[in-house]
This record gives sequence, C-alpha cells and structure tokens, in this order.
Amino acid sequence: QVQLVESGGGVVQPGGSLRLSCAASGFTFSSYGMHWVRQAPGKGLEWVAFIRYDGSNKYYADSVKGRFTISRDNSKNTLYLQMNSLRAEDTAVYYCAKDVGYYDILTGSTKYYFDYWGQGTLVTVSS
Amino acid sequence: DIQMTQSPSSLSASVGDRVTITCRASQGISNYLAWFQQKPGKAPKSLIYAASSLQSGVPSKFSGSGSGTDFTLTISSLQPEDFATYYCQQYNSYPRTFGGGTKVEIK
Repeated sequence: QVQLVESGGGVVQPGGSLRLSCAASGFTFSSYGMHWVRQAPGKGLEWVAFIRYDGSNKYYADSVKGRFTISRDNSKNTLYLQMNSLRAEDTAVYYCAKDVGYYDILTGSTKYYFDYWGQGTLVTVSS
Repeated sequence: DIQMTQSPSSLSASVGDRVTITCRASQGISNYLAWFQQKPGKAPKSLIYAASSLQSGVPSKFSGSGSGTDFTLTISSLQPEDFATYYCQQYNSYPRTFGGGTKVEIK
C-alpha cells in the first residue's frame, strides 16, 4: 500500500533553515510528481511546491519562492523540501502528497490530482 | 491565481441528514476540481476528482457535481464518521489553490 512518511520537522529560529524529507513506498516513486502542502495551526490547506516525476519541472507558491527548494532522489524514493530564511508565518504542519494522472477525454490531455498524503511533520519557527 | 471560495464555512447537521457544500472558482476551471476530507489531527484524504469521480474506496454516499466555476459536494446520509472538515481544490493551473474549508459538526 502507498505510504508517505514525512520527517525533519522541529523548532527553528526566524531566519534559520530546515530540510524536510518524505519517504515513499508502495508505488514506483520515480513515475509520479510530488507536492508539499502546509497547514498553519487552526488554518486551512496551502499548496507549497511541486516537482515533476523526473525533477525537470518545479513550481512554487509565491509565499515561499526564493526561500524554499523542492527536490527528490528517485534512487532513495525520497522527496525533500529545503526551507531557508524561515519566518514565523511558515509555522505549519507540512504534508507531502502524491500526484496521479488520468486521461481527460474532453481535452485529450492528462490531468493530475492528489491521491495520497503523508501524515505530516510540524515546523515551528519561533525565537 | 484562481481563488476558491467555499460555503458555508461551517454547518451543523444530524446523523442521517443530507449535506451539500458549495465551492466556487474565481474563473472557469472546467471540471478540474478535487474534494478532500480532513479529520482533526489527521492528514487530508482524497474523496473526489474531476468534480464527480469517486476516489477508489470512497463510499457512494459522497457525490460531486459541477463544471466551470460552480461545484458541490453532497453527502447523502451523514454518519458519525463523516463529521470532519472538507476542502475543495482546483488543479486546472498553478498555483493549485484550496478553498477555505467547510467544517461539518454534529447538531
């Protein structure tokens, strides 16, 4: 069965750095795009970043662009999020999520949505 | 960016009730809309994609409809395990954006 296990969260001071990991199993990791999504305490979900299955394409939310870097190691079945210049507003539970594609007959293209999520890891930015 | 607006933000319902949640996109997204369920302290769970297609393993009491800018999630007969927060998300374009969530509480 698909498993996504995040790790690397913790308490960090403003301006500091942290690297999150997401260990994947139960599917062919190298064939799927992956995302990071976060949720501030008591708030809704915010998409953070995406990386294509082969790492060739990456997208970021404006709120993290230039500070966060998404990457992956397909040989280790692991997704990463390097977070630099952390701010108090980055405090959140960070989830990794797996993409899955389906054929859209209306457009003749493949569309992708989230099918599985990890359990999340808490990042607290505080002095 | 495409803004997603859910309504209501919360609702109270009884076991057995039929519940409908609405999600509106700020511009047309065809049917590229997903719904997720999140219980307190847990990760979100995928329910529906392509506006109306059930994710594998999701019971048929959940249904979705809509296209363009207006979408709905319906739970046909609310059960105790359905009390949770529900989010819509568009995957038409980046950044992928979520609605603010609808918390379904016990009346």
